[in-house]
Amino acid sequence: KNEVEQSPQNLTAQEGEFITINCSYSVGISALHWLQQHPGGGIVSLFMLSSGKKKHGRLIATINIQEKHSSLHITASHPRDSAVYICAVRHNNDMRFGAGTRLTVKP
Amino acid sequence: KAGVTQTPRYLIKTRGQQVTLSCSPISGHRSVSWYQQTPGQGLQFLFEYFSETQRNKGNFPGRFSGRQFSNSRSEMNVSTLELGDSALYLCASSLDPGRNTEAFFGQGTRLTVV
Repeated sequence: KNEVEQSPQNLTAQEGEFITINCSYSVGISALHWLQQHPGGGIVSLFMLSSGKKKHGRLIATINIQEKHSSLHITASHPRDSAVYICAVRHNNDMRFGAGTRLTVKP
Repeated sequence: KAGVTQTPRYLIKTRGQQVTLSCSPISGHRSVSWYQQTPGQGLQFLFEYFSETQRNKGNFPGRFSGRQFSNSRSEMNVSTLELGDSALYLCASSLDPGRNTEAFFGQGTRLTVV
């Protein structure tokens, strides 16, 4: 079993829909990151969380340390949000990654 | 402020050769981490450097090595290349990931081994 599990693996939404991507982990962590990867490979760090909730524009990330679970929400989704979203946790001095969620937002 | 710069962007090598990839972090960042991304294994941690010291190493063979210079630029080297080393190699820089500071990624180097 992977230490970092993401769901769903693939997600297709219509423009304007509210989207949720989930991440569960089984190791002790000092921080959790949400990353966005567009075709071509470049990765952008969206959030780094160690507790609570963060919001940036239409993106919201939450983490529940006790339940070892985090969610990434996208409100009013747009085709430009189409990308792979990756959950990563910092465990000791390294990073463990989820397999990613491929999001496609259709106009 | 310039972002994280990785060179080269693309590289084709032959089995058995060696390769060196470079990562220049954001000015002021003292930590550089390296990652390998393949379709089969996803993203995997290679190593993390902070102030010229390797702080941690992922589960990769000794053919994978790295170093960090006094100006925080980092290089990673892969010797005796194998077909399975074909991947996107990404580096990320941060002030100090041990203190949970944000990481900024480069565009990656896509290595193809033939």
